[in-house]
Amino acid sequence: GESVGLHLPTLSVQEGDNSIINCAYSNSASDYFIWYKQESGKGPQFIIDIRSNMDKRQGQRVTVLLNKTVKHLSLQIAATQPGDSAVYFCAEGDENRDDKIIFGKGTRLHILP
Amino acid sequence: DTEVTQTPKHLVMGMTNKKSLKCEQHMGHRAMYWYKQKAKKPPELMFVYSYEKLSINESVPSRFSPECPNSSLLNLHLHALQPEDSALYLCASSPEGNEQYFGPGTRLTVT
Repeated sequence: GESVGLHLPTLSVQEGDNSIINCAYSNSASDYFIWYKQESGKGPQFIIDIRSNMDKRQGQRVTVLLNKTVKHLSLQIAATQPGDSAVYFCAEGDENRDDKIIFGKGTRLHILP
Repeated sequence: DTEVTQTPKHLVMGMTNKKSLKCEQHMGHRAMYWYKQKAKKPPELMFVYSYEKLSINESVPSRFSPECPNSSLLNLHLHALQPEDSALYLCASSPEGNEQYFGPGTRLTVT
């Protein structure tokens, strides 16, 4: 399943399907982007990051795509599993804003059996 | 040791109480952070310490007082809090300022 728009609060995906979570950012100077996963009752967990000199980066079962032209970031999760249920936050940083990252609103990923 | 630890896990305090939240990391990270997170919202930055010095204060009310005793420890002293301060308080650390690693948080309830 794919998200049908940006800032979608909840995304429901069938177990085994691929998930795509989207994020928009507004700061043209942002040069570093991170995806975090936050499970209920836990702190955010780092998933994957990407710098602005790249368009794509792959990890284990996850891929982050960056489109600087339209200031859009996406996280793709392959073969979604029940353990992927969580809230996913994108965050952005720029070198002119040392040590500070700005979080997006978050998307809850719900896995259907 | 590759994690950020926070104590206590839960804290209930009255509006006249004084309490402290503690955070510890032994990864040699130079930056440490306090965030506040309300339900269904993203974390909001409160304070940043870099090399044990306060580098960012996001206009946080003085009833929250951070302290960094050494490069591994970060405290948040609480005094005269309000019920609306109830939230999950997250500590994070970072080697270079971008990639931040979070602790499990302290769930604070102010009565």
